Amino acid sequence: AQKVTQAQTEISVVEKEDVTLDCVYETRDTTYYLFWYKQPPSGELVFLIRRNSFDEQNEISGRYSWNFQKSTSSFNFTITASQVVDSAVYFCALNSGGYQKVTFGTGTKLQVIP
Amino acid sequence: NAGVTQTPKFQVLKTGQSMTLQCAQDMNHNSMYWYRQDPGMGLRLIYYSASEGTTDKGEVPNGYNVSRLNKREFSLRLESAAPSQTSVYFCASSALGTGKGANQPQHFGDGTRLSIL
Repeated sequence: AQKVTQAQTEISVVEKEDVTLDCVYETRDTTYYLFWYKQPPSGELVFLIRRNSFDEQNEISGRYSWNFQKSTSSFNFTITASQVVDSAVYFCALNSGGYQKVTFGTGTKLQVIP
Repeated sequence: NAGVTQTPKFQVLKTGQSMTLQCAQDMNHNSMYWYRQDPGMGLRLIYYSASEGTTDKGEVPNGYNVSRLNKREFSLRLESAAPSQTSVYFCASSALGTGKGANQPQHFGDGTRLSIL
């Protein structure tokens, strides 16, 4: 069984503040993949990043960074110097066990206030 | 670049009516998926097709059927629509990953907003 928990339902920040979105996952498998997707107000879902369980190297991409920690089963996402265009619902997702099923968290709605 | 195309974008049905949601991808992806998105519940997998010729149930398959018509197309059918099926439906596709599982990023269509009265 696999599970993804995004405990933060909604977050509001003022533009230029940093914000971290939390993701905690559960799986019994040693090989698994984690994803982050963004869903802006227009409704489409956009892939942001993928991590596999063998690669704990954290990644920075522009204003985005991801912190993967197997010890705490977390895959957190930080936006530095947030902008209004970052306002969206962000989903964390997990695939494990060699199955086709991808389990999504319930999402965190981020509102960046100008 | 079309990517994943879903039709229709909006639909209103009466309880008991049937309809088919269409999905097509032009990325030569092996795997295709149907999700529903409801407030506070994230995306839940209805059915998926790991490759052409195969389909499997996901988390919430009751009341739905699917057809993988060919490698490009994966349709979702509601045989007798119920108000509980009011939702936003997303189709997605992904390339064949290394090893097993859905470990490649999924590409999503724009969604179909379905209301059942």
